[in-house]
Amino acid sequence: NAGVTQTPKFRILKIGQSMTLQCAQDMNHNYMYWYRQDPGMGLKLIYYSVGAGITDKGEVPNGYNVSRSTTEDFPLRLELAAPSQTSVYFCASTHQGRSEQYFGPGTRLTVT
Amino acid sequence: QKEVEQDPGPLSVPEGAIVSLNCTYSNSAFQYFMWYRQYSRKGPELLMYTYSSGNKEDGRFTAQVDKSSKYISLFIRDSQPSDSATYLCAMDSGGYQKVTFGTGTKLQVIP
Repeated sequence: NAGVTQTPKFRILKIGQSMTLQCAQDMNHNYMYWYRQDPGMGLKLIYYSVGAGITDKGEVPNGYNVSRSTTEDFPLRLELAAPSQTSVYFCASTHQGRSEQYFGPGTRLTVT
Repeated sequence: QKEVEQDPGPLSVPEGAIVSLNCTYSNSAFQYFMWYRQYSRKGPELLMYTYSSGNKEDGRFTAQVDKSSKYISLFIRDSQPSDSATYLCAMDSGGYQKVTFGTGTKLQVIP
């Protein structure tokens, strides 16, 4: 099992550009999550999904969009990148009914 | 007041010491408690998972939950330099699996 995989590992964007952060899991988990982690701020939930075709906003959704067309994949879209979106982004997943989440290695994004 | 409070550290200890990491919380609905270890520039890795109050041991690691005091702890015995990482506590009420994370405590074990 590869677990949770994320691409790319690093990216530098200019202000106003767009990009998609990819996340995939091979554990047949129903629930998937996107977090951002800023220094000293902990993990903030951006969006989550409880299954294919079902997504919902987390704590900090502004400036982001998601889709979930398959159980395995949960891409995060950034439109019109802003410096405030400079962060490390983590994708996570778990089975329905479980609290323990399994994280990917992260994508380090810088917007300049 | 934050829902979950965790001392950011850094905490610096000599190799072989017993380490105590702690979190307090305010939401009495939390039932599931987790500890994650995060090495520098890596994703969080699940270390311990407990349900409700009590202790759970796994090798050199012991997780302790005191729901009456809204206080959880992670103890590391015989600490090793490889334990140097940031430790995140996390907790969940069991509703929609939206977990609340602490901000993490950075631990450094000096050889």
